[in-house]
Amino acid sequence: EPEVTQTPSHQVTQMGQEVILRCVPISNHLYFYWYRQILGQKVEFLVSFYNNEISEKSEIFDDQFSVERPDGSNFTLKIRSTKLEDSAMYFCASSRLAGGPNEQYFGPGTRLTVT
Amino acid sequence: GDSVTQMEGPVTLSEEAFLTINCTYTATGYPSLFWYVQYPGEGLQLLLKATKADDKGSNKGFEATYRKETTSFHLEKGSVQVSDSAVYFCALSGSQAAGNKLTFGGGTRVLVKP
Repeated sequence: EPEVTQTPSHQVTQMGQEVILRCVPISNHLYFYWYRQILGQKVEFLVSFYNNEISEKSEIFDDQFSVERPDGSNFTLKIRSTKLEDSAMYFCASSRLAGGPNEQYFGPGTRLTVT
Repeated sequence: GDSVTQMEGPVTLSEEAFLTINCTYTATGYPSLFWYVQYPGEGLQLLLKATKADDKGSNKGFEATYRKETTSFHLEKGSVQVSDSAVYFCALSGSQAAGNKLTFGGGTRVLVKP
């Protein structure tokens, strides 16, 4: 069964460093998402991406964040200058269609630790 | 804005016990409702969904009914197994069109003991 994959599974970085989290969505999916979960808190929406542009973003997704689909398979989240509060589990998701009923498929997550 | 509230855990049960996890939501229009499950060390997996009022989603012995009058989507299973130990997330997706985000509840950890 096709699945969303994410690399690395765990990333440790120092405050102020740039980090890139990578995702490979399911191949025939058109819509891509990033979510994060700070330890002990809710899973929060960051951004959605379709047709090579951001379709929606949350207040969390400020100028420090960017997303890119550099080729036909990868979808990346870049944090330009990491802060301690960026430590969280980051989940990538994809869906074939958009709209409320359509299932989003999640990857296993990347745990980001900022020291 | 949209929000989801679910009961806090952990919920500890014995095998074959009845499980209920309460979930209520606030949303405009007619959202779709989901339960996702996260097993230890894994990502979020869709457990079941319902897309309109009075729909019942079901999967792997779990059920949830979309109750618009009480804005609820409670998850139930009649006889849990140790393998059901996981974190369960209630979520909604709004009724608008493209690229719809999911809004999650806080998650409920369930531990089933043999």
